[in-house]
Amino acid sequence: GQQVMQIPQYQHVQEGEDFTTYCNSSTTLSNIQWYKQRPGGHPVFLIQLVKSGEVKKQKRLTFQFGEAKKNSSLHITATQTTDVGTYFCAGPRAGGGADGLTFGKGTHLIIQP
Amino acid sequence: NAGVTQTPKFQVLKTGQSMTLQCAQDMNHEYMSWYRQDPGMGLRLIHYSVGAGITDQGEVPNGYNVSRSTTEDFPLRLLSAAPSQTSVYFCASSYSPLSAKNIQYFGAGTRLSVL
Repeated sequence: GQQVMQIPQYQHVQEGEDFTTYCNSSTTLSNIQWYKQRPGGHPVFLIQLVKSGEVKKQKRLTFQFGEAKKNSSLHITATQTTDVGTYFCAGPRAGGGADGLTFGKGTHLIIQP
Repeated sequence: NAGVTQTPKFQVLKTGQSMTLQCAQDMNHEYMSWYRQDPGMGLRLIHYSVGAGITDQGEVPNGYNVSRSTTEDFPLRLLSAAPSQTSVYFCASSYSPLSAKNIQYFGAGTRLSVL
């Protein structure tokens, strides 16, 4: 079945450093979503990318969708302590969106002040 | 606007007990789903529903039942709890099952321990 893989699993950075997490799918995706989960909290939607090669920015966060629509990345510039949490990518399960989403295992961002 | 409400927040069960995790949404969303989250495993889909009266299995459905008698409610039943079902359970809803509108709104979660 479809797999969505994320790397790295953990990332330790000093506050102010940049951070990137990568997401790769075994199949072409119609769209990809990114979520953030704070420690002890629930996943919260960040963004959805739909078009091949799409790049979207939210303040210090930059999201990219690959040309082949099989990979994506999230880059955070100049991390802050508020960025701590786990970042998940998610794509439609094989068979389309009506079958739910498949989530990557997430990247845990740990920031040292 | 409460969004997605899950109860209880915490639960401890003994092996073999049954229970129902409640989930309700007030956004008139068609699509609802249940995930479990285990360390290092991310979020795994248990069951989902594309509308009242319609449910289907996700990746890890064994040991769980669901029903969707109304648009608002999507309870998850554990038939005979096992230690392997110790996890954090999240209910989520979205406006539509169509890919472009399948943005998930999650509840706060239920932390379940099975002894």
